[in-house]
Amino acid sequence: DTEVTQTPKHLVMGMTNKKSLKCEQHMGHRAMYWYKQKAKKPPELMFVYSYEKLSINESVPSRFSPECPNSSLLNLHLHALQPEDSALYLCASSLRGGPGELFFGEGSRLTVL
Amino acid sequence: GENVEQHPSTLSVQEGDSAVIKCTYSDSASNYFPWYKQELGKRPQLIIDIRSNVGEKKDQRIAVTLNKTAKHFSLHITETQPEDSAVYFCAASIQGGGADGLTFGKGTHLIIQP
Repeated sequence: DTEVTQTPKHLVMGMTNKKSLKCEQHMGHRAMYWYKQKAKKPPELMFVYSYEKLSINESVPSRFSPECPNSSLLNLHLHALQPEDSALYLCASSLRGGPGELFFGEGSRLTVL
Repeated sequence: GENVEQHPSTLSVQEGDSAVIKCTYSDSASNYFPWYKQELGKRPQLIIDIRSNVGEKKDQRIAVTLNKTAKHFSLHITETQPEDSAVYFCAASIQGGGADGLTFGKGTHLIIQP
């Protein structure tokens, strides 16, 4: 299995909702990432879990909350989002933290109304 | 932190011609430089990468060159084909060990004209 699987593929939510994005990989990778990508822009790093230790991009607002239940699973909890948070959220994994190939999932397209 | 500049933002070439995309980076400690291709509506996928102990790497029609002194690296695509049309992102590792992700350039929209 060489896939990173993300669910849901599409999500529409209101500003008062609480929702979660899920990501799973079974490649034995020990680092997992959340990236945010706006249209016609590059991916921007939000969070990294490496060997289940969290690193945060300090510019990410607290309405985004990551969770790593184990080395194969990564969640992104969403609460009180704003319309400007609408974007494609990409999960990725790599064999280990540090320089190396990122394997991206297909992404979850989020729309905040 | 690392800053990656990428040029041009749009590149249009005739099918069969070569395409060159250039990137510069700011952090001299960066040591890993991948290139990702993203087709419309799809995920980014790695097409080639280079590490700082190597000056050039080639894979069929794709090559990457790295100049560590000048802190720039380039992607070269020869004999371009319609399926090469996509957005290409360069990236550099954020040196610091452990769990750092990549810093991406702003992307180049490559258009292959038939």
